[in-house]
Amino acid sequence: TQLLEQSPQFLSIQEGENLTVYCNSSSVFSSLQWYRQEPGEGPVLLVTVVTGGEVKKLKRLTFQFGDARKDSSLHITAAQPGDTGLYLCAGVDTNAGKSTFGDGTTLTVKP
Amino acid sequence: NAGVTQTPKFRILKIGQSMTLQCAQDMNHNYMYWYRQDPGMGLKLIYYSVGAGITDKGEVPNGYNVSRSTTEDFPLRLELAAPSQTSVYFCASSYYYRGSISGTEAFFGQGTRLTVV
Repeated sequence: TQLLEQSPQFLSIQEGENLTVYCNSSSVFSSLQWYRQEPGEGPVLLVTVVTGGEVKKLKRLTFQFGDARKDSSLHITAAQPGDTGLYLCAGVDTNAGKSTFGDGTTLTVKP
Repeated sequence: NAGVTQTPKFRILKIGQSMTLQCAQDMNHNYMYWYRQDPGMGLKLIYYSVGAGITDKGEVPNGYNVSRSTTEDFPLRLELAAPSQTSVYFCASSYYYRGSISGTEAFFGQGTRLTVV
């Protein structure tokens, strides 16, 4: 079983601060996805990273895939209360068409 | 466009009862998935289906059954409910073909919150 470890598990910061959350695995994945989940809702895809070393930006969010395709990070610049939520990484098995999810990072951004 | 629709949204079951969680998607996706999410945790795959008539076990299949008679519907059956099955259940779907990267975005329903007492 491929496992994904996310850190930190919980993060509480003030509006305007920067933060980085991490997703690590001992296994290589074909690609890695980041989802955000708000309370009472299902996860929504933010980004998919495919190539080792790849960096993708989505407004104030920067996603990086490790060179060995085993780890990834999500950096948020100038966090806002609207960024509050559970951030999940998911490693994709393209042979089976299914994903393995990490346990998530719960982010709270206080005004 | 409704996307992925799950019913019911909430349910309380007594130990030993059975129920079926319904899931329907209107995006003509071939793959469908059932996950459970325990408090403060990520998603664990229960079962998935690559198309009508084909299902396969995920990480935590014990105590559950599924069927996929149509492309649109993927019900999850709980037999003999136990307190350990208290969780939030998410159904998801995606359009996927072997080797695809872009086709792996999963679209999720809003979840069913199940409590077994």
